[in-house]
Amino acid sequence: QQPVQSPQAVILREGEDAVINCSSSKALYSVHWYRQKHGEAPIFLMILLKGGEQKGHDKISASFNEKKQQSSLYLTASQLSYSGTYFCGTELLISSGSARQLTFGSGTQLTVLP
Amino acid sequence: DGGITQSPKYLFRKEGQNVTLSCEQNLNHDAMYWYRQDPGQGLRLIYYSQIVNDFQKGDIAEGYSVSREKKESFPLTVTSAQKNPTAFYLCASSPWAGKQETQYFGPGTRLLVL
Repeated sequence: QQPVQSPQAVILREGEDAVINCSSSKALYSVHWYRQKHGEAPIFLMILLKGGEQKGHDKISASFNEKKQQSSLYLTASQLSYSGTYFCGTELLISSGSARQLTFGSGTQLTVLP
Repeated sequence: DGGITQSPKYLFRKEGQNVTLSCEQNLNHDAMYWYRQDPGQGLRLIYYSQIVNDFQKGDIAEGYSVSREKKESFPLTVTSAQKNPTAFYLCASSPWAGKQETQYFGPGTRLLVL
């Protein structure tokens, strides 16, 4: 049930763009994106709900394709501070209980070089 | 300031020893979670709790135990039955399932075996 993230790693120059994908074989209610710096807690970026919406703030945006059960995270004009590991957490459409249960992908390591 | 605190930051365990990791939140969140993260990998759910005095096993609960006696606190005990406990442990919390809500993470505890 773990979502599949691609690519596993990407290296960019400052100012370049990147796309990170997250795919699930199950029907999803939501996709949550986080960024984690080495040895630190994951920081929440944004949540996408079923319905095929797109969100963004600053130069980071994301989309959720409900038909494909796939979410993509777009980083435009990347900055050095964007470096880190990006995780998607998926919440199934049918999940037991009311607590938000997320299943995380294995992460995409993004390195932005000057 | 509201947030999630975890202690200690680093913890050393001897063979056959039980150790307890602390997690406290003052966000008034109902649900709390424990994850394990191994190098280069995603987050795997150990236990979660939706309300006080109730908790559920996650994907890798064997060798771990938890309690939820107070809404603010969700300690994790790594027992001697957990043969490979070296990992980064993250605690998270979330409000009662709301559409735009997500999980927020503490700073983590790194557990090492002596």
